[in-house]
Amino acid sequence: DAKTTQPPSMDCAEGRAANLPCNHSTISGNEYVYWYRQIHSQGPQYIIHGLKNNETNEMASLIITEDRKSSTLILPHATLRDTAVYYCIPSRPDKLIFGTGTRLQVFP
Amino acid sequence: ETGVTQSPTHLIKTRGQQVTLRCSSQSGHNTVSWYQQALGQGPQFIFQYYREEENGRGNFPPRFSGLQFPNYSSELNVNALELDDSALYLCASSLSGRGEKLFFGSGTQLSVL
Repeated sequence: DAKTTQPPSMDCAEGRAANLPCNHSTISGNEYVYWYRQIHSQGPQYIIHGLKNNETNEMASLIITEDRKSSTLILPHATLRDTAVYYCIPSRPDKLIFGTGTRLQVFP
Repeated sequence: ETGVTQSPTHLIKTRGQQVTLRCSSQSGHNTVSWYQQALGQGPQFIFQYYREEENGRGNFPPRFSGLQFPNYSSELNVNALELDDSALYLCASSLSGRGEKLFFGSGTQLSVL
């Protein structure tokens, strides 16, 4: 399983873009990069995933470097409800190995 | 709402007892995974069931066992409870083969006294 490095915590002003970095230098060729988040007292929630190309959906954008050793999750206009722990997970589908994630605090 | 329901939501047991946690997966999903989340930590993979068979296991002792039923609902059983078993237990369902996403329930908070 690939190891990940994420900053333990980040702050973001409401309405601004939140850029959450992740280093996964040991990712294997067949492993996707998944991002999940966990709001307090709830189960983790899927955000987005990608293999090589950048991806965008209604929640976020995912930028993966060409060598696939790092990625950035972008929340384009953070709201207070985006306050959560964000997990970056290089993995095959279905068997996710969570690290400790980044605690994002969005402030007014 | 993910369509994954877990019961009970909270449970208190004493050391040495046995506990059964239940999970109803999202309609159409044939794979269930169980995770343990200690306070302040990320979820830790316990095991996964696919079509009623265990399909992968994390670093947990044999006193953690599970079942998946023909309707794809699932149980997690823990025998000989220890204080360190106190945690949030999360169930997630997915459709294997197209398992790009896991859908998590809200968990069962187990306290062992």
